Amino acid sequence: EIVLTQSPATLSLSPGDRATLSCRASQSVSRYLAWYQQKPGQAPRLLIYDASNRATGVPARFSGSGSGTDFTLTISSLEPEDFAVYYCQQRSLWPPLTFGGGTKVEIK
Amino acid sequence: EVQLVESGGGLVQPGGSLRLSCAASGFTFNNYEMNWVRQAPGKGLEWVSYISNTGGAIYYADSVKGRFTISRDNAKNSLYLQMNSLRAEDTAVYYCARVLRGYTQNFDFWGHGTLVTVSA
Repeated sequence: EIVLTQSPATLSLSPGDRATLSCRASQSVSRYLAWYQQKPGQAPRLLIYDASNRATGVPARFSGSGSGTDFTLTISSLEPEDFAVYYCQQRSLWPPLTFGGGTKVEIK
Repeated sequence: EVQLVESGGGLVQPGGSLRLSCAASGFTFNNYEMNWVRQAPGKGLEWVSYISNTGGAIYYADSVKGRFTISRDNAKNSLYLQMNSLRAEDTAVYYCARVLRGYTQNFDFWGHGTLVTVSA
């Protein structure tokens, strides 16, 4: 099973700041990594798939990069609605499909 | 408008059974692979099960294998999860999730979820 480790667990930032979230895989997942955003009481929302492809309707301030075992989600300038929990997920080797433990982006 | 609406959750005793349903609308259901993903209270996301668009391929997480059964009825635009021998650790919000077409196992649309609570 591929284990995904997200860091940091919590990121305290202000609106307008740049956010950099990390996801590390226990073995190579090539570029088969996705990022999701989840707000309290809501279902997750797909942001990025296959490392760097923005999903439909996702603002350009969200970008993904990386390959192999190290991946990054960058939010170039935080908007108030971006404060949420972010999960990475791999589809390279499954079952089982696996998710990271999440990074909470909170208002400083 | 794409909609996925889960139902069937509730309170059940350990060892009991529940059947979750996910009603799909706004898209051609039989063209899409589907999954169930769960989230225990205050915890992260856990993949539960996958079914191909025809139902010909099915996979489960080890934690539910032998106890849960995924199925679909394309004529009724519905996805199901039969859950037997339920345990306290199965307590979670259960989401049905649609796979992004052409990019298997990226989930481009999720339902709102249904809460399953396993407790005596």
